[in-house]
Amino acid sequence: DGGITQSPKYLFRKEGQNVTLSCEQNLNHDAMYWYRQDPGQGLRLIYYSQIVNDFQKGDIAEGYSVSREKKESFPLTVTSAQKNPTAFYLCASTQGTNYGYTFGSGTRLTVV
Amino acid sequence: EDQVTQSPEALRLQEGESSSLNCSYTVSGLRGLFWYRQDPGKGPEFLFTLYSAGEEKEKERLKATLTKKESFLHITAPKPEDSATYLCAVQRGGYNKLIFGAGTRLAVHP
Repeated sequence: DGGITQSPKYLFRKEGQNVTLSCEQNLNHDAMYWYRQDPGQGLRLIYYSQIVNDFQKGDIAEGYSVSREKKESFPLTVTSAQKNPTAFYLCASTQGTNYGYTFGSGTRLTVV
Repeated sequence: EDQVTQSPEALRLQEGESSSLNCSYTVSGLRGLFWYRQDPGKGPEFLFTLYSAGEEKEKERLKATLTKKESFLHITAPKPEDSATYLCAVQRGGYNKLIFGAGTRLAVHP
């Protein structure tokens, strides 16, 4: 079955560490997105990519980095510059603007 | 500035008690309005896309409607399995990204 796989489901980060969240899709979608979800707030866009080897900053890109070397993969790195990284991270993809997003099951990141 | 506001923040219903969730939006040139369902600890699941005022879509006990300023998600005779957070999002014309509201947490009790 086609879908989006995010891993790991839970991730713990020590202060000053960089961590990378994985997002893989087998839907043959061109566009991929990373959102952050905090309690009581809407999903906020971190980065998005509409084509391989190209990506754009979203509304809250500071402290994050991404790459898009393959169509299927869009990993997100949370760097030590991100001051408050504890959150639920969601990856999504779409085949076009009329089709809505398909989301992964999320990664919950906690700073310890 | 594009904005999406959902109300109420939380809603508690008895099984069979119909109600509506509201999504108010301000966006330059609406291209589409999306409804999603999200269960705890999981990613959102796509429900509907609405494109123009007056449009309606239905799926089982859910019906979504759209006006020029807001959308409603009507839930008819809800069941406990309808308990979830319902998210609304808008897409501005010319942009391939969605702006989400904070969601409405729905709890349906037997």
